[in-house]
Amino acid sequence: GENVEQHPSTLSVQEGDSAVIKCTYSDSASNYFPWYKQELGKGPQLIIDIRSNVGEKKDQRIAVTLNKTAKHFSLHITETQPEDSAVYFCAASREGGSYIPTFGRGTSLIVHP
Amino acid sequence: KAGVTQTPRYLIKTRGQQVTLSCSPISGHRSVSWYQQTPGQGLQFLFEYFSETQRNKGNFPGRFSGRQFSNSRSEMNVSTLELGDSALYLCASSLRGPGAGNTIYFGEGSWLTVV
Repeated sequence: GENVEQHPSTLSVQEGDSAVIKCTYSDSASNYFPWYKQELGKGPQLIIDIRSNVGEKKDQRIAVTLNKTAKHFSLHITETQPEDSAVYFCAASREGGSYIPTFGRGTSLIVHP
Repeated sequence: KAGVTQTPRYLIKTRGQQVTLSCSPISGHRSVSWYQQTPGQGLQFLFEYFSETQRNKGNFPGRFSGRQFSNSRSEMNVSTLELGDSALYLCASSLRGPGAGNTIYFGEGSWLTVV
C-alpha cells in the first residue's frame, strides 16, 4: 500500500519568514496530493491540492510543488503569520471515489510574533 | 450550508464499556469516512460508508464497527473499550468518496478518553 512520510514533525519560525513542509510517497500510481490544516480543537481543512499533471500550484501565500520522478511534494508558506500556526497534514490519493487517501503524520507549525 | 456535525464532542468512558459516536454529513454527501487521530499515529483510516454500504475498511480490530443510515448519517461503535482507544475520532464527508477530486470535509471530532 501507499506510505507517506512527512517532515519535519515540528517547525518553528518567526513571523514573516517562510515555512516549508516536505512529504514523500511510495506508490507511483498516486496522482492527487491534498494538504490539510488543523487548528487547535478543530477538524482538518483542505487548504490546497495538486494533481500529478501539474508541477506547482499557488494560492496567495501558499504554494505546493510536486516532483513525480522523486515522488515528493512540498508545501510552501510565505510571509508567515501567527494565524498560520496549526498542524499541517499532507496526503496521497488516487482518482476514484472509493480510493482512501494516505496521510502523513503531520507537522506542527509554530509562528512566533 | 451546515458542515459535518459530530456528537458528542467530548466523552469519558471506562475500560470495558462501549461507545457510540454520531456523524451528520454535509447535505447531499453520500460518503462518510471515519478516522482515528492520536499524537503518535496521526490520522488512521477506520472505514468508509457510501450509500449505506461499507465500501472500505482500515486495519482496526472488529471491536470497531460502523453503519450508515438512509439519510447518510453515520454512527461508529467501539466495544470493550481499551485505554489505547483514547483518541480524537474524526468523521469526514464527501460527495462521492474520499478519492481524488472529491474534497473531504472533516467534522470537529469526538474526543474519547478511556479511563
